[in-house]
Amino acid sequence: DAKTTQPTSMDCAEGRAANLPCNHSTISGNEYVYWYRQIHSQGPQYIIHGLKNNETNEMASLIITEDRKSSTLILPHATLRDTAVYYCIVRERNNNFNKFYFGSGTKLNVKP
Amino acid sequence: GAVVSQHPSRVICKSGTSVKIECRSLDFQATTMFWYRQFPKKSLMLMATSNEGSKATYEQGVEKDKFLINHASLTLSTLTVTSAHPEDSSFYICSAAGTRIGYNEQFFGPGTRLTVL
Repeated sequence: DAKTTQPTSMDCAEGRAANLPCNHSTISGNEYVYWYRQIHSQGPQYIIHGLKNNETNEMASLIITEDRKSSTLILPHATLRDTAVYYCIVRERNNNFNKFYFGSGTKLNVKP
Repeated sequence: GAVVSQHPSRVICKSGTSVKIECRSLDFQATTMFWYRQFPKKSLMLMATSNEGSKATYEQGVEKDKFLINHASLTLSTLTVTSAHPEDSSFYICSAAGTRIGYNEQFFGPGTRLTVL
């Protein structure tokens, strides 16, 4: 089962920063936080992941609280093409591989 | 990022027929592949995990005789929906996992839209 909770939807003005929160209060010490997004009728796209330090790449920044119970994905300058459903996922460990259980995600609407 | 393809992208079939969906990792070796299904306006639901050369592991509630998974090589996994019915109509997405730079990622295919009439 998914171990994350996210707001159902958020709006953001084009050109502004989009801050998407995620709660994962039951995360274990060796579990990573991953963020993916899904544009309508496509497969999910990897954005970023982290363990406990803040991370930044060409797409976004990931801020993880010190207690690791929540995180925020930041899109610094949102564009219309960033409109998508954003999923925060805690990667669970098992004997075979690290499965992803998707929660309901946040629908980000970027508006002109 | 790595590339994962799916074929076909869209399929329409009659009730009672079987449909095979292919998932290929194009530029890396995928030791593990995952299959998901997604209903309209819903999230992805993990169906099964398949490791190359071994039997797939199915999530609770997923019928293994209904959804046959074969992972015969490090670049190909197939999902066969047997005796499809209208309630099997869904968006099926695969992902492939490999190891690079010390951590594991999943790369997703573009999905296959199945419509059963």
